[in-house]
Amino acid sequence: QVQLVQSGAEVKKPGASVKVSCKASGYTFTGYYMHWVRQAPGQGLEWMGWINPKNGGTNYPQKFQGRVTMTRDTSISTTYMELTRLRSDDTALYFCARSTTITHGLDYWGQGTLVAVSS
Amino acid sequence: ATRITQSPSSISASTGDRVTITCRASQGISSYLAWYQQKPGKAPKLLIYAASTLQSGVPSRFSGSGSGTDFTLTINYLQSEDFATYYCQYYYSYPPSLPFGGGTKVEIK
Repeated sequence: QVQLVQSGAEVKKPGASVKVSCKASGYTFTGYYMHWVRQAPGQGLEWMGWINPKNGGTNYPQKFQGRVTMTRDTSISTTYMELTRLRSDDTALYFCARSTTITHGLDYWGQGTLVAVSS
Repeated sequence: ATRITQSPSSISASTGDRVTITCRASQGISSYLAWYQQKPGKAPKLLIYAASTLQSGVPSRFSGSGSGTDFTLTINYLQSEDFATYYCQYYYSYPPSLPFGGGTKVEIK
C-alpha cells in the first residue's frame, strides 16, 4: 500500500534552516510528483511547490523562491524539503503529498511534520 | 495572478442536509480544480479532481461540478463523519502554481 512517512518534529531558532524528509513506499517513486504543503496553527493550507522525482525538476511559488529547496534521492525513494532563514511565521505542520499529474489532485499524504520556530 | 474565492467560510448544517460550497476563480482555469476534506489534526483527503471526477473510495454523496471560473462541491445527505473543513485547490499554468482556497468549515447546527 502507498505510504509517505515523514521525519519527526523540529524546533528551530529564527534564522536557522530545517530539512524535512518524506520516504515513499508502495509505488514507483519516479512515477509521481511530490508536493509540499504547510498549515500554520488554526490556518488554511498553503502549497509550497513540487518536485518531479524522475528528473529532479522543481517548481516553487514566488513566495518561497530563494528560501525553499526540494530534492530527492531515488535510491531510497525519499524527497526532502529544506526551508532557510526561518521566521516565527514558518511555524506550521508540513506535509508531503504525491500526485499522478499536476492537475489530478494530491491523492496520498504524509502524516505531517511539525516545525516550530521560536527564540 | 489568478485568485480564487471560496465561500462560505463556514456553514452550519444538520445530518441529512445538502451542503454546497463554491470556489470562484478570477479568470478561467478550465477544469483544473480539486476538492479536499480535512479533519482536525489529520492530513487532507482528496475527494474530487478535475472538477467533477470522484476519487476512488469516496462516497457518491460527494459531487463536484463547474468549469472555467465557477466550481461547486455538493454533499448530499450530510453524514456525521462529513463535519470537517473543505478546501479547493486549483491549477493555473503561468506561472505554474497550485494554490488552495481559504477553506470552508462545515459545522453541526
